[in-house]
Amino acid sequence: EIVLTQSPGTLSLSPGERATLSCRASQSVSSSDLTWYQQKPGQAPRLLIYGASNRATGIPDRFSGSGSGTDFTLTINRLEPEDFAVYYCQQYGSPPLTFGGGTKVEI
Amino acid sequence: QVQLQESGPGLVKPSETLSLTCTVSGVSISDNISWNWIRQPPGKGLEWIGYIFHSGSFRYYPPLKSRVTMSVDTSKSQFTLNLRSVTAADTAVYYCARWRDTINAFEVWGQGTMVTVSS
Repeated sequence: EIVLTQSPGTLSLSPGERATLSCRASQSVSSSDLTWYQQKPGQAPRLLIYGASNRATGIPDRFSGSGSGTDFTLTINRLEPEDFAVYYCQQYGSPPLTFGGGTKVEI
Repeated sequence: QVQLQESGPGLVKPSETLSLTCTVSGVSISDNISWNWIRQPPGKGLEWIGYIFHSGSFRYYPPLKSRVTMSVDTSKSQFTLNLRSVTAADTAVYYCARWRDTINAFEVWGQGTMVTVSS
């Protein structure tokens, strides 16, 4: 099973700042198999980024993803109030599908 | 517009079977895509439980597979999760989700349903 380790656990920032979230895999993951989700309290996760760097429909361009192999990054430029949430990475390159533990972006 | 809606008991006794249904609308459940269950214990992260296709083929998360059964009812556009011999560790919000294999991602999620295991 591929373990995804997300860091930091919590990121304390202010609106307008940049957030940089890390997702590290215990084995190499194809970029096409790395996905990011956003989850707000009381809501289901929402698809943000697929294929490591492709924004899902309706996702603002302040969200960007990058990385390859075992190291992937989600960057949020110019944080908006609605961006404060928990972010999860997920892989399905090697079954079983696994999620990272999440990074909370808080004010 | 694709929508998924979970339903089922919010409280299950220890050692009994947790049974949930996901009703699919806006798309045919017979499309060749996988229908998934994912759970989230209170205050914790996401855990994939497994998937099933309309054909009945499936894959379950190995640590859970001895207790999990999924099924599909195409006539009702529903798929179900049965989790046997539950304990308090199975207390979680349970989500159903549609996988989109062209992007390797859960594209549509249900709102989730909270299930508590307690006597």
